Amino acid sequence: RKEVEQDPGPFNVPEGATVAFNCTYSNSASQSFFWYRQDCRKEPKLLMSVYSSGNEDGRFTAQLNRASQYISLLIRDSKLSDSATYLCVVNILRNSGGYQKVTFGTGTKLQVIP
Amino acid sequence: GAGVSQSPSNKVTEKGKDVELRCDPISGHTALYWYRQSLGQGLEFLIYFQGNSAPDKSGLPSDRFSAERTGGSVSTLTIQRTQQEDSAVYLCASRQDPDTQYFGPGTRLTVL
Repeated sequence: RKEVEQDPGPFNVPEGATVAFNCTYSNSASQSFFWYRQDCRKEPKLLMSVYSSGNEDGRFTAQLNRASQYISLLIRDSKLSDSATYLCVVNILRNSGGYQKVTFGTGTKLQVIP
Repeated sequence: GAGVSQSPSNKVTEKGKDVELRCDPISGHTALYWYRQSLGQGLEFLIYFQGNSAPDKSGLPSDRFSAERTGGSVSTLTIQRTQQEDSAVYLCASRQDPDTQYFGPGTRLTVL
């Protein structure tokens, strides 16, 4: 089983739709979680961190479910500009010296259609 | 402020040649990562530097790949005797916070 798994998609949704992605992780010691966005032929950029209590940033909501070991990203009122690949990232802190194992999912592709 | 920079932005080389890719992390960031990404694929972890600790080289695909980080700042990824399958975008990221990585724009390597 992969350490971090995502549905590759593509998710094709009309403008204005609500879409949700999940990302599952296998290591229960995972400590911090993020969603990155990657546009075609560009580097990944941080979209949002995922907190245990869940967090919201405008149209974007991230949730963490530790019991079931997954994180989710919800996008409301999709815009054409939301079209991108969304990468799930899971960090495990290995020691007190700040050493971290960072694992990226392979990404979920979203295409918002006019 | 200045972000992570990488050079060159594009590199075309012939099979069998050696290449060096450079990464300038954000000033003060103690952690530095190298990844590569083939077209349409996910990120493949290569190597991780954390402060003065020994680097995590577990992602390097072969002994043709090596990396250094001098003075805890600039890093160089070296690929010896390049092969066509080495063609990819090589991404560098740095981190200071406990959590957040910031990526450079990448170097697109093409091996002919």
